[in-house]
Amino acid sequence: AQSVAQPEDQVNVAEGNPLTVKCTYSVSGNPYLFWYVQYPNRGLQFLLKYITGDNLVKGSYGFEAEFNKSQTSFHLKKPSALVSDSALYFCAVREGNTDKLIFGTGTRLQVFP
Amino acid sequence: NAGVTQTPKFRVLKTGQSMTLLCAQDMNHEYMYWYRQDPGMGLRLIHYSVGEGTTAKGEVPDGYNVSRLKKQNFLLGLESAAPSQTSVYFCASSLRGAFTDTQYFGPGTRLTVL
Repeated sequence: AQSVAQPEDQVNVAEGNPLTVKCTYSVSGNPYLFWYVQYPNRGLQFLLKYITGDNLVKGSYGFEAEFNKSQTSFHLKKPSALVSDSALYFCAVREGNTDKLIFGTGTRLQVFP
Repeated sequence: NAGVTQTPKFRVLKTGQSMTLLCAQDMNHEYMYWYRQDPGMGLRLIHYSVGEGTTAKGEVPDGYNVSRLKKQNFLLGLESAAPSQTSVYFCASSLRGAFTDTQYFGPGTRLTVL
């Protein structure tokens, strides 16, 4: 069965420093991977996705994610964190050949000044 | 475009009461989804629809019913609310499947069942 794991409940980083939010996946077949962000009291917003092609995927708000097949990971990264990046981040994977996504449990990113 | 809207934003129910959550989208999307978000559990899919008049079960469908009579609306019903249904409910829509097209989420409905 497909699944994603976000091993960190919370990540703290100082403004201006690089950030990484981790995600590992378990799928049979080719993985289709996604990152969504949830700002306080809001619905989720799409950041980026990996379907095929270049292992480095660029997304919204300066975020990027690196697909690593050998480590079954899809970590979200940003070179320089902003306080406004503080939010809840969800990794997701397509469920089999369906039109559904399976979401991870979320990682809260806290960027402090 | 309003995008995806949800009604109501907040609701408190007593055990056994019923209610309907309304989701509306004005993007002419075919697919619509209902999720619940609980601390430490992420988002879990309740029901979804791949077009007007269709519905299908997700991961946690028990205790909920849905209807998609109009393309732009997706209703989530709780016939007899239970405290375990206390959660934040999100509706989402996408033009096609969630892996092909971006899902757009509503602002959520916070439901408390006493």
